[in-house]
Amino acid sequence: NAGVTQTPKFQVLKTGQSMTLQCAQDMNHEYMSWYRQDPGMGLRLIHYSVGAGITDQGEVPNGYNVSRSTTEDFPLRLLSAAPSQTSVYFCASSYGGNNEQFFGPGTRLTVL
Amino acid sequence: GDSVTQMEGPVTLSEEAFLTINCTYTATGYPSLFWYVQYPGEGLQLLLKATKADDKGSNKGFEATYRKETTSFHLEKGSVQVSDSAVYFCALRDSGYALNFGKGTSLLVTP
Repeated sequence: NAGVTQTPKFQVLKTGQSMTLQCAQDMNHEYMSWYRQDPGMGLRLIHYSVGAGITDQGEVPNGYNVSRSTTEDFPLRLLSAAPSQTSVYFCASSYGGNNEQFFGPGTRLTVL
Repeated sequence: GDSVTQMEGPVTLSEEAFLTINCTYTATGYPSLFWYVQYPGEGLQLLLKATKADDKGSNKGFEATYRKETTSFHLEKGSVQVSDSAVYFCALRDSGYALNFGKGTSLLVTP
């Protein structure tokens, strides 16, 4: 198993550009989520999904969109990037809501 | 709302020293408590967890006990190694799916 994979590892955007951060898992996990990690802030939940076709907002959803068309994939879209979205983004998945969350290696995004 | 407070870092220790990283929490219900570790350049990995009061989680020589009376879940290890250098996150999950993380404590172990 590859576990949770994320692409790209690094990305630089200009303000106003759009992009999609990819996340995939091969563990047949129902639950998937996106977090952002900022210095001195810990990790904060952006969006999560409890299964294909079902998504919900986390603590900091503004500026981000998600969809879940398959069990395996959970992309995160930035429609118009802003410097405040400079961060490290982690995708996580788990089998059920109360089980261990497995994290991907992260995407480091810089918005100029 | 729910929150997690952990000690500020960075923490610098010599190899074989005793480690304590303090973590306290505020929650309205009966949360599950976790310690995650993040090695340089990697994602987070679950280190240990406890799901009810007085439970002790342990893994790789690390331990933490769920103390409801003091709302604490302090991480301890008797003898740290250079390979333990990482950032450690305390987290809780109350109701629902989301994890609520502390800000993280950076640990550097020197030979």
